[in-house]
Amino acid sequence: KQEVTQIPAALSVPEGENLVLNCSFTDSAIYNLQWFRQDPGKGLTSLLLIQSSQREQTSGRLNASLDKSSGRSTLYIAASQPGDSATYLCAPRAGYSSASKIIFGSGTRLSIRP
Amino acid sequence: DAGVIQSPRHEVTEMGQEVTLRCKPISGHNSLFWYRQTMMRGLELLIYFNNNVPIDDSGMPEDRFSAKMPNASFSTLKIQPSEPRDSAVYFCASRGLDNTGELFFGEGSRLTVL
Repeated sequence: KQEVTQIPAALSVPEGENLVLNCSFTDSAIYNLQWFRQDPGKGLTSLLLIQSSQREQTSGRLNASLDKSSGRSTLYIAASQPGDSATYLCAPRAGYSSASKIIFGSGTRLSIRP
Repeated sequence: DAGVIQSPRHEVTEMGQEVTLRCKPISGHNSLFWYRQTMMRGLELLIYFNNNVPIDDSGMPEDRFSAKMPNASFSTLKIQPSEPRDSAVYFCASRGLDNTGELFFGEGSRLTVL
């Protein structure tokens, strides 16, 4: 059974800092891994998706890396801004079947201080 | 595309009443997921469908919960009878057959059972 852990659970940093959010998963036989952002009272917005064959994926100030063999992914946020304040969740997709499930970590609650 | 559409956005009901939550996935997507989110337990997978067929319902908490997907464009999650501990935000998400396998979420249905 896949278990997903995100560290830290909460993080508060001043604006402008670079930061790293961590995600670890127990079953390395994943098809891909997706990072999401959730604002309070809202749904989940997809940020980045990394396929199992990729090592990293970039979108603007965000960079996600994947080390499938060790069961780890990181989300790097460069030059953080107050608008980045949200909860960030990672979700590895189990297996290669088109019917495979997706389990979420508990998230990292990020607060960027102006 | 309008994205994943959920209704109602908010529902307040009394214990014992039947609750029906609805979801319209993105057109062309063949996998549909129902998640429940609470402060205590985070985002939990309840059930998911592939090509309208339930694949895994092991996350459904008990027999009071049921889900159906009568066609590719509609799914329901029903709770009967509802209890206060069912209060949560229920999310629907869908995924297509393309190579990315990206998951898209609706805005959620916030349920309060008094």
